[in-house]
Amino acid sequence: TQLLEQSPQFLSIQEGENLTVYCNSSSVFSSLQWYRQEPGEGPVLLVTVVTGGEVKKLKRLTFQFGDARKDSSLHITAAQPGDTGLYLCAGVEYNFNKFYFGSGTKLNVKP
Amino acid sequence: KAGVTQTPRYLIKTRGQQVTLSCSPISGHRSVSWYQQTPGQGLQFLFEYFSETQRNKGNFPGRFSGRQFSNSRSEMNVSTLELGDSALYLCASSRAGQGPDTQYFGPGTRLTVL
Repeated sequence: TQLLEQSPQFLSIQEGENLTVYCNSSSVFSSLQWYRQEPGEGPVLLVTVVTGGEVKKLKRLTFQFGDARKDSSLHITAAQPGDTGLYLCAGVEYNFNKFYFGSGTKLNVKP
Repeated sequence: KAGVTQTPRYLIKTRGQQVTLSCSPISGHRSVSWYQQTPGQGLQFLFEYFSETQRNKGNFPGRFSGRQFSNSRSEMNVSTLELGDSALYLCASSRAGQGPDTQYFGPGTRLTVL
């Protein structure tokens, strides 16, 4: 069983559309990270959110950490084909330096 | 600065064999973590090494083991391979391995067990 559940698992949208990916857990984490992974490569860190309720923006990407530090969301505005990839959230336990990854959301943005 | 490198990139083995995968972290990084990625289970933590010591371990059987050398390079070994061990094995390095550290992943080793 995954400690972190991501939804949706798959998403296929047209260029220009908006989308939101969710990452939920019953556990509290010290921080939460979002990664993007492209075929043939390892995941690349996009952002780390630390404080409950925190919102971070990275160009067209907006990341939010839930108040209780159990869940997070990633919102992409005006998606582009270059956003295509596997999006992974990861809960971090500082004390144990452990990373728990979600199951991933496979995003396909069609031109 | 060179990124995390993993060798080999692809590997085909048969059941019962053993395999050793190698990971060279970014220069100056002392923590190396290993993950198994499969379509069904996603990315699962195997273990983490810091200064040649295993600091954390995931829930994998003893057939999965690893080590880290004084230059921070790391190897993982899987003995008595099973079909279910087919996966992408990723290693990630970080500077000090504490707090909200950034993990840098290598491209992975794709292991196929026949």
